[in-house]
Amino acid sequence: AQSVTQPDIHITVSEGASLELRCNYSYGATPYLFWYVQSPGQGLQLLLKYFSGDTLVQGIKGFEAEFKRSQSSFNLRKPSVHWSDAAEYFCAVGPGLKGGGNKLTFGTGTQLKVEL
Amino acid sequence: ETGVTQSPTHLIKTRGQQVTLRCSSQSGHNTVSWYQQALGQGPQFIFQYYREEENGRGNFPPRFSGLQFPNYSSELNVNALELDDSALYLCASSKPAGGGTDTQYFGPGTRLTVL
Repeated sequence: AQSVTQPDIHITVSEGASLELRCNYSYGATPYLFWYVQSPGQGLQLLLKYFSGDTLVQGIKGFEAEFKRSQSSFNLRKPSVHWSDAAEYFCAVGPGLKGGGNKLTFGTGTQLKVEL
Repeated sequence: ETGVTQSPTHLIKTRGQQVTLRCSSQSGHNTVSWYQQALGQGPQFIFQYYREEENGRGNFPPRFSGLQFPNYSSELNVNALELDDSALYLCASSKPAGGGTDTQYFGPGTRLTVL
């Protein structure tokens, strides 16, 4: 069974500071990995995804994430946070090429607060 | 290009009633997935429809059912509503990309409150 752990429920950073949100997954083969962002009362917006190839992937809004197979991690980073980045961030895992099905499994989310 | 749309935005029902939620997929997408997001939780997979057939189901009881129409829009029906069904219901559309999980694009959700 696939699962995702986001160890940090809440994170507070100052505007302009760097950010790293942690994500650990459990999956028997190479997974497909996603980061989504959700503003209050809104749906989910895709930030970036990893399917294969280069382990450092670039996304929208200046975000990037690095896939580390040895650590089963897919941490999200941003060099300089803007106040508008305050939102909830979800990491998700889905079956890769050798898996079956098309279901996303989400973590419980990390709420990001940005101090001005 | 039109994104995923859902209706209604908000809905209030009482326990035991039935509800239908609607989703229009993004242009060019033929797969629709439904998720339930309880307050303070991540989305949980309910089921997925591909070309009008159910294509995978999560751990939800049979009173959660769905349909997909020839234009790839979809409905989620929930019978005999329970208080715990109160949640944000998210619809996501995608198109098969040749193996592995498709990239799913989400709508704004329907907030269901069961009293």
